[in-house]
Amino acid sequence: DGGITQSPKYLFRKEGQNVTLSCEQNLNHDAMYWYRQDPGQGLRLIYYSQIVNDFQKGDIAEGYSVSREKKESFPLTVTSAQKNPTAFYLCASRTHGQPQHFGDGTRLSIL
Amino acid sequence: AQSVSQHNHHVILSEAASLELGCNYSYGGTVNLFWYVQYPGQHLQLLLKYFSGDPLVKGIKGFEAEFIKSKFSFNLRKPSVQWSDTAEYFCAVTSKAAGNKLTFGGGTRVLVKP
Repeated sequence: DGGITQSPKYLFRKEGQNVTLSCEQNLNHDAMYWYRQDPGQGLRLIYYSQIVNDFQKGDIAEGYSVSREKKESFPLTVTSAQKNPTAFYLCASRTHGQPQHFGDGTRLSIL
Repeated sequence: AQSVSQHNHHVILSEAASLELGCNYSYGGTVNLFWYVQYPGQHLQLLLKYFSGDPLVKGIKGFEAEFIKSKFSFNLRKPSVQWSDTAEYFCAVTSKAAGNKLTFGGGTRVLVKP
């Protein structure tokens, strides 16, 4: 079955630590996206990548970093510079002309 | 910059009632419009989409939405809801002018009482 896999489902971080969220897709999609979901604010775009080895900042990129070394993988690092990292993180992918498909999400909490 | 506004944050209704969720977007050019649904504990799923053509779009599970360009609206409707429609609903828009980035509304939580 093709799809998007995000891991882990739940993640806990201590203050001052960087943490990396995984997103893998086997849909052969070119574009991949990271969103943050907060109650009452919908989904906000953090970073996106339209092709391998290229990515752009979204609306709330500060405190985050990404890489796109392989087509199927788009990991997101939440750095210690992100002041309010507790949130639900969603990864998505799409192919040209089609809607985005979403993963199941990772819930990040600060200890 | 494009933006999306969903007017209701919470909606509570009984089974068999009709549902209409409002969605307005800001961008005046050519847009693609979407409604996504997130059932409790599940991932976001596409309910329906509008790219072009007939402005009345039918989606899964008996949902439909009407694109009214003059009102910048894409309201979601279902004539008779079921308890299983309890979920959070998100309207989203994308446009070439915005680099095909998807912009989401704040979401509407719908609770259907049995």
